[in-house]
Amino acid sequence: SAVISQKPSRDICQRGTSLTIQCQVDSQVTMMFWYRQQPGQSLTLIATANQGSEATYESGFVIDKFPISRPNLTFSTLTVSNMSPEDSSIYLCSAASGWGLNEKLFFGSGTQLSVL
Amino acid sequence: GQQLNQSPQSMFIQEGEDVSMNCTSSSIFNTWLWYKQDPGEGPVLLIALYKAGELTSNGRLTAQFGITRKDSFLNISASIPSDVGIYFCAGRKNSGGSNYKLTFGKGTLLTVNP
Repeated sequence: SAVISQKPSRDICQRGTSLTIQCQVDSQVTMMFWYRQQPGQSLTLIATANQGSEATYESGFVIDKFPISRPNLTFSTLTVSNMSPEDSSIYLCSAASGWGLNEKLFFGSGTQLSVL
Repeated sequence: GQQLNQSPQSMFIQEGEDVSMNCTSSSIFNTWLWYKQDPGEGPVLLIALYKAGELTSNGRLTAQFGITRKDSFLNISASIPSDVGIYFCAGRKNSGGSNYKLTFGKGTLLTVNP
């Protein structure tokens, strides 16, 4: 299994500012992803973080709002830009390890973001 | 996007009781996964299922991949207080390759009374 470290674990931010969340995996993984979990809700995929190229965003999420970097196989960042209270949520980094039928998805402990 | 129908939404049980929850979908998934999320933490993978009809156990947990590939269930036997948390099912349509995307259920909140 992959161990995923995510920081910060929580933050309280002012409207209009930006926050960058870091994700470090302890081993090389095939895929890295960023999810959002709004209060009391399930997980929604924001984007796939591609190594060395632009992330692949899901419907409803755009690069200007959620820029993502993945400079190598074990590290990625997600920035929540120009924040508003509606961005208050848990942001989760995840990584897929293994191949084919043994491929599994693991999660970091999340970043609890509150926007005032 | 597509959602999985997970039920029940919440359960209140006594310690020692068995628990069952399930997920259904109108379309086929090639992989089913079950996660548990504690407050303030990310989801932790409990069981992964890769074949239709597969029955897999992890301690007191047992999960099955439905034969139609449109459903899965999770059973917890002899529940204990630390079983408290939110349980999520997740399905994946593409097996292997680079397109690893999961669809999540809305979760089942489990409360265990000592």
